[in-house]
Amino acid sequence: SQELEQSPQSLIVQEGKNLTINCTSSKTLYGLYWYKQKYGEGLIFLMMLQKGGEEKSHEKITAKLDEKKQQSSLHITASQPSHAGIYLCGADNSGNTPLVFGKGTRLSVIA
Amino acid sequence: GAVVSQHPSRVICKSGTSVKIECRSLDFQATTMFWYRQFPKKSLMLMATSNEGSKATYEQGVEKDKFLINHASLTLSTLTVTSAHPEDSSFYICSANYAGGGYGYTFGSGTRLTVV
Repeated sequence: SQELEQSPQSLIVQEGKNLTINCTSSKTLYGLYWYKQKYGEGLIFLMMLQKGGEEKSHEKITAKLDEKKQQSSLHITASQPSHAGIYLCGADNSGNTPLVFGKGTRLSVIA
Repeated sequence: GAVVSQHPSRVICKSGTSVKIECRSLDFQATTMFWYRQFPKKSLMLMATSNEGSKATYEQGVEKDKFLINHASLTLSTLTVTSAHPEDSSFYICSANYAGGGYGYTFGSGTRLTVV
């Protein structure tokens, strides 16, 4: 079965610092999704990656998918308090099967 | 963009009663929707796949008689927690696959169920 390992589990960074969250799959992915969640709230879509070597950016967040499509990283530049939350990676195995999620990374940004 | 509306956002019910949670795709048709459950400080656990016009597919360990799923139209799936108990208290969230744009899987805003 599909397994996603996400690291680190939690992260505390000082405002203005950069950070990276990693997501590793046990299988080659059809697609990889990144979401942000505030505790007890819905998921906010960040980015979707499907091609090996693909990289996408939105504001200060950049996500990459490796050539083998088994590992992805999410990088935040110059972190702000608004970046705090839980970041989840989700694996798409075929395009219409449910996403399988990693355990999430809890990010805290301190002033 | 694709929007999935989930209702209610919060519900408190007494033990033994049933609670219905609705998940609607607002501007697209979803033949398949997915229901997840999230425990505090944990990730999302897939409960079942809801299929329009046919029976839902449940994940191992999820009681289908406890968590009734109905997907009667292309825009609405419902999850009914029957004879709720305190251990059913959790955060439930639905998702639909929108193939028409870059959003892919769109999620509802979730329902926090508290059984007292």
